[in-house]
Amino acid sequence: AQSVTQPDIHITVSEGASLELRCNYSYGATPYLFWYVQSPGQGLQLLLKYFSGDTLVQGIKGFEAEFKRSQSSFNLRKPSVHWSDAAEYFCAVEPSNTGKLIFGQGTTLQVKP
Amino acid sequence: DTGVSQNPRHKITKRGQNVTFRCDPISEHNRLYWYRQTLGQGPEFLTYFQNEAQLEKSRLLSDRFSAERPKGSFSTLEIQRTEQGDSAMYLCASSPVGGETQYFGPGTRLLVL
Repeated sequence: AQSVTQPDIHITVSEGASLELRCNYSYGATPYLFWYVQSPGQGLQLLLKYFSGDTLVQGIKGFEAEFKRSQSSFNLRKPSVHWSDAAEYFCAVEPSNTGKLIFGQGTTLQVKP
Repeated sequence: DTGVSQNPRHKITKRGQNVTFRCDPISEHNRLYWYRQTLGQGPEFLTYFQNEAQLEKSRLLSDRFSAERPKGSFSTLEIQRTEQGDSAMYLCASSPVGGETQYFGPGTRLLVL
């Protein structure tokens, strides 16, 4: 069955430190890949997406993600975290053009001053 | 473009009552999706529409749930005979066509007492 795993339920980093959030997926072919962020009481906002081409994709708010086919991973990174980045982050896949997003469990990011 | 809107934002109801939620997608978006998110989990796909046609329904969508998109614009999600297990955030998203980015609304939080 198709699935998305975010191994880290909760991560705490200091402001200014680098960040990497992990995402692994299980799917036979290369799906479309997404990272969304959800702040308390807010809807999901798209950070970035990968459909094809360059495996390193840039997103909003200084985030980037790298698709690694051999590892079935799509990890999210940011070189320097800001306090406003504290939120919940979701990795999602869409098996080719099915219209159905499959989300991971989410990673809660806490930023220490 | 005002984004995806959902009403109401919050709903408290007693077990056994019926509730209806509304979603207004971004104008000219042909696809409309419904997801459910419980506490500490990622959103789970419920159903989606291409214009007024309902193309897929998840097994999560029991016969107490019904969704409509009568004119291919706004959509309603009705839950009949609510149960405490229905308490969740109900998210709506829209996209221009399949395989494109889904834009999410702020959600309707349902609490069944």
